[in-house]
Amino acid sequence: DAEITQSPRHKITETGRQVTLACHQTWNHNNMFWYRQDLGHGLRLIHYSYGVQDTNKGEVSDGYSVSRSNTEDLPLTLESAASSQTSVYFCASSESKASETQYFGPGTRLLVL
Amino acid sequence: GNSVTQMEGPVTLSEEAFLTINCTYTATGYPSLFWYVQYPGEGLQLLLKATKADDKGSNKGFEATYRKETTSFHLEKGSVQVSDSAVYFCASGSARQLTFGSGTQLTVLP
Repeated sequence: DAEITQSPRHKITETGRQVTLACHQTWNHNNMFWYRQDLGHGLRLIHYSYGVQDTNKGEVSDGYSVSRSNTEDLPLTLESAASSQTSVYFCASSESKASETQYFGPGTRLLVL
Repeated sequence: GNSVTQMEGPVTLSEEAFLTINCTYTATGYPSLFWYVQYPGEGLQLLLKATKADDKGSNKGFEATYRKETTSFHLEKGSVQVSDSAVYFCASGSARQLTFGSGTQLTVLP
């Protein structure tokens, strides 16, 4: 079955370290998204991509970057982790321009000490 | 820009009670509307959606009707079960993006 996976599921890191969170989907979806989930804020969009070599900033992109070298993967990099980036991170994908329905991965819980 | 406002929680109900979670949106144009559910420790799952005015989305006993005149998409279920305990998110979608409400925690007691 097609799916979307995230790794690691849990990560503890120190302030200032670079961290990369992986997202892999096997639906062959063009659109991929990264969100962070924090109490009282719902889900906020960090970055998104509409296809290979396409990346765009979302609402809360400062301190994060993404790259899209193939259809299946959209890794999220925290260049220099900060305590404010402690959160749960979700990756999602959707099929095409005609569909806004997004399918979510299981999430990565990140703690920055 | 688009925004979604949903009923603040937490909401606690007894099993077999009636559930309503309110959701209103602001948007330019006519967005698609969604309810997602998040069970503990998991990602968001699509519960139901509606793509145009007066459409009713339904799934697993949950329903929501797209009301353009009141810009609302309230979630209802006639008889909740303990297994419905989760966080529910309302969202509006346009131009391939989703805007989420802040989520409503539902706890159903036996």
